[in-house]
Amino acid sequence: SQQGEEDPQALSIQEGENATMNCSYKTSINNLQWYRQNSGRGLVHLILIRSNEREKHSGRLRVTLDTSKKSSSLLITASRAADTASYFCAHSGGYQKVTFGTGTKLQVIP
Amino acid sequence: DTGVSQNPRHKITKRGQNVTFRCDPISEHNRLYWYRQTLGQGPEFLTYFQNEAQLEKSRLLSDRFSAERPKGSFSTLEIQRTEQGDSAMYLCASSLDGRQLNYGYTFGSGTRLTVV
Repeated sequence: SQQGEEDPQALSIQEGENATMNCSYKTSINNLQWYRQNSGRGLVHLILIRSNEREKHSGRLRVTLDTSKKSSSLLITASRAADTASYFCAHSGGYQKVTFGTGTKLQVIP
Repeated sequence: DTGVSQNPRHKITKRGQNVTFRCDPISEHNRLYWYRQTLGQGPEFLTYFQNEAQLEKSRLLSDRFSAERPKGSFSTLEIQRTEQGDSAMYLCASSLDGRQLNYGYTFGSGTRLTVV
């Protein structure tokens, strides 16, 4: 399977703390994306980083990409209870489909 | 435009019955994707269309599955002779042309299928 893997599988933190999730993949990529999924709902696109970029910010989100290690991380700063969700990384090798990872389930405790 | 719409939201069916799901993408998006997601897992690719052409099908898509996008707008996913293993969330997403894939997908809320 070309599916990526995420670490940790589950994460529980207190509101206000930072949350870090990691993603590894196996193939060459054109870009890597992060999505959020609230329980039983569809996925929401959060941020995309291109293969020639190393770091990207969007609001409280910070994404890094290390293509030599085939890995990425998502940092959510100053977490809120509303950030409770599953987070998935997804990679694309070109202009075709996106392949999703296994996800990290984040719980932010008020 | 209200985003990607999927119908129905939930479907319960008896084993052996046929089911059909519908996806209405964002109107200017010419790419449409179907994914399947089981509990605790990430979405798995099933198939995708560029306009009305089905460009790729996953090996997950057995002969019992068929997808169409007849006029390059909405799409349907049909499962014939459903099995309990087909129980999952079926997700539809759309995007602009692959050359603009750098903007990510827009997903619908999904159709949850339960086969009893």
